Parts: sequence; structure tokens; C-alpha cells
Amino acid sequence: KQEVTQIPAALSVPEGENLVLNCSFTDSAIYNLQWFRQDPGKGLTSLLLIQSSQREQTSGRLNASLDKSSGRSTLYIAASQPGDSATYLCAVTYNNNDMRFGAGTRLTVKP
Amino acid sequence: EAGVTQFPSHSVIEKGQTVTLRCDPISGHDNLYWYRRVMGKEIKFLLHFVKESKQDESGMPNNRFLAERTGGTYSTLKVQPAELEDSGVYFCASSQSRGLGYTFGSGTRLTVV
Repeated sequence: KQEVTQIPAALSVPEGENLVLNCSFTDSAIYNLQWFRQDPGKGLTSLLLIQSSQREQTSGRLNASLDKSSGRSTLYIAASQPGDSATYLCAVTYNNNDMRFGAGTRLTVKP
Repeated sequence: EAGVTQFPSHSVIEKGQTVTLRCDPISGHDNLYWYRRVMGKEIKFLLHFVKESKQDESGMPNNRFLAERTGGTYSTLKVQPAELEDSGVYFCASSQSRGLGYTFGSGTRLTVV
């Protein structure tokens, strides 16, 4: 069974902190892994896409890593800002083209 | 380029009524997907089109849901008759190819009362 789990479900940090969001998946036969951001009432914004052959991707203050052997991905946010407050979703595309989402981590960055 | 567009953004209907959601993918994207998020749970796959053909519809919850993609362009998702448990946010996504990742629309928030 292909499952994607995100921990923690919610996270509240003061502005300026570095933080890590975790995503784990049960089937290592993945094609790629994508991190999204969802703001309340809005759609999903793609943040980073990691192909199965890659170990990490970086965009600005965001860094996503992928360890297929352990079934884990992390999203690292440096120097967090109140504007980073949103729900962060991890989505895994498997080799059979199925895509599974985690339930998300709701992040609040306090000024 | 224009993103994935979904219409309407919100819909409130009574139980038993019919609602049709529309998705316009990015031009040239052959792959179109429908997902939904209900009751604050994780987003779940509904179905996948490649051009006008249904590649995978294993996520469709029951036969009250009907998806079409006319001419391989925009897609519609019809719910008939709607039930209370159908309330949620319905997302559409498109991709040029699987390896390039997905672009999601803003979603349609459906409320069945």
C-alpha cells in the first residue's frame, strides 16, 4: 500500500527560525517527489520537484532532500518569515503513475 | 503562460442537485488530473486523462461522478446527484509529461447542503 505521511501535522515557530518539515513514504519505487504550498482558500503552488535520481533541490530559502532508501524527504525552510505561513504538502508520484499526497503540515510563523 | 484554470471557484448546492466543475489545463498539456480534498483530509486522486482518454479512473468514488475531456482540451467533472459527503475542494492539475511535475489550479470549493 502506497502511503505518504507528513510530520508534524502543525508547527508554530517564531520568525527567523530555521525549520524542517518531514515526509515519509512506504514504497520506494517512486518516480519523483514534489513539495507544494497551499494558502487558505487558494490552490496548490509547486515549490520543489525532486526526480528519483536526485538527492536534493534548492530554491531560495527552501531546500528539499530525498532519500529513497529510507523513504524520506525533508523540506528545510531557512530564516522563516510570517509570509511562509501556509500548509505544506508532500506528493509522491510512483512508477505506476499513481500520485499520493500527505495530509500536510500547517505552518504558522509568528512575527 | 496561463496556469490551470478552474471554474467556479465556489459552489453551494443542495443535496440531490447536479453540479459541473470545469478545468482548463495549460495549453499543450496532454495529462490532466482531478483530485479532491474532503473534510480536511489528505488530497486524493480521482482520475487521469491523457488527451481525451481516461488513463486511470480508479479514484472515482462512485457512479455519481462523471468526468469528460472533450477534444483533449478542457475537462468537466459532473456530480449527479450530489450528496453531503461530496463537499470539499476539487483540484485539477495538468502536466506536459509525468517527469516535469504538475501545475495545479486554485480548486473549486463545493459545499453540499
